Amino acid sequence: DAKTTQPPSMDCAEGRAANLPCNHSTISGNEYVYWYRQIHSQGPQYIIHGLKNNETNEMASLIITEDRKSSTLILPHATLRDTAVYYCIVIRGSGGATNKLIFGTGTLLAVQP
Amino acid sequence: ETGVTQTPRHLVMGMTNKKSLKCEQHLGHNAMYWYKQSAKKPLELMFVYSLEERVENNSVPSRFSPECPNSSHLFLHLHTLQPEDSALYLCASSQDIPRSYSVEPQHFGDGTRLSIL
Repeated sequence: DAKTTQPPSMDCAEGRAANLPCNHSTISGNEYVYWYRQIHSQGPQYIIHGLKNNETNEMASLIITEDRKSSTLILPHATLRDTAVYYCIVIRGSGGATNKLIFGTGTLLAVQP
Repeated sequence: ETGVTQTPRHLVMGMTNKKSLKCEQHLGHNAMYWYKQSAKKPLELMFVYSLEERVENNSVPSRFSPECPNSSHLFLHLHTLQPEDSALYLCASSQDIPRSYSVEPQHFGDGTRLSIL
């Protein structure tokens, strides 16, 4: 699975959009981009995923560049409860076997009041 | 509420004790996972069960013994642990789709915080 690079930390003002970048320049055609977050003292929480197209759900939007070498997770109106470590993970569908998430160190997003 | 429940939330045990961690999922999934998260280290995958069969064992020491009696329950039996085994142990579940190259999201519990004295 392709390696990802994320900034170790970011700040965002409450109510503003948080844009979290992820570089995955070695991604291959059948690899998905997944985003999870981990709030302190909780397990990781699935946010969103995509293959080629931009995606949006009730939590966030995922913007994938046309060459698929990078992506941005957008939290449109960050709140204090969005303070967490955000993980960008690239994973290949394994043809019926279970998918194996490989977590890196992620980005610590601190939402400031 | 994630649909994945882990008990106990906290566990303190001596190195000679035997204890078990329990995970239950209410999502109708057919795959379950154990992860270990040590302080200041990324999550590490330990075991994977799909359709109640173990399909992955990531070189985990034998003092950790998983059990999956059915698709909704997963246990991690612990015996003669070492201080370095102190960590957050996380359970997850997902829907494994045979012969599909799609990747389904994993849903995690909030973990068991294990401390070895």
